[in-house]
Amino acid sequence: KAGVTQTPRYLIKTRGQQVTLSCSPISGHRSVSWYQQTPGQGLQFLFEYFSETQRNKGNFPGRFSGRQFSNSRSEMNVSTLELGDSALYLCASSRNRDTNSPLHFGNGTRLTVT
Amino acid sequence: QKEVEQNSGPLSVPEGAIASLNCTYSDRGSQSFFWYRQYSGKSPELIMFIYSNGDKEDGRFTAQLNKASQYVSLLIRDSQPSDSATYLCAVNLSGGGADGLTFGKGTHLIIQP
Repeated sequence: KAGVTQTPRYLIKTRGQQVTLSCSPISGHRSVSWYQQTPGQGLQFLFEYFSETQRNKGNFPGRFSGRQFSNSRSEMNVSTLELGDSALYLCASSRNRDTNSPLHFGNGTRLTVT
Repeated sequence: QKEVEQNSGPLSVPEGAIASLNCTYSDRGSQSFFWYRQYSGKSPELIMFIYSNGDKEDGRFTAQLNKASQYVSLLIRDSQPSDSATYLCAVNLSGGGADGLTFGKGTHLIIQP
């Protein structure tokens, strides 16, 4: 069974640009969450999508947005990139939103903003 | 502000010994607790999750939860060099974490051959 797939693995962008990251969840998983990981702040929750609807959002500015498609695949967009957006962006999927559905992470997209 | 605290380490344990990793959390309403392992340059990998007070065992791993003390731990028996990694504790108010896990910053574990 394939795991969570994220593309691309690496990205280099310049300040002010925008970027789109993609995530394909484990087959049968309907919830997709996004996290940002930096050395200083650790893993921080960005948002979660279920049935094409954003269900929860972390404490990030509106430059960070996402969406989910009918096949549960998800994209995350960051506009007007800042140097501080350099991080590992992790997508995680779970079968649904109940207690017995822990998160499984993809390999991440490492974004570098110059 | 929900907080999850872990000792950053490094925690050095001889091969074959028991490694004990600890985590405290601030939100008394937390209901689900997770341990993830993260190798350098890799993504977090789920090891165990626990919802009820007490112990939960899976192979060489045992998770222990004490909600009254707001404390969760992970024991690794017969530690192997391949267990060397950063261990992340995560908590959630409910469910499996889809509505947002709060992570600690991790404990760096080193198993010495």
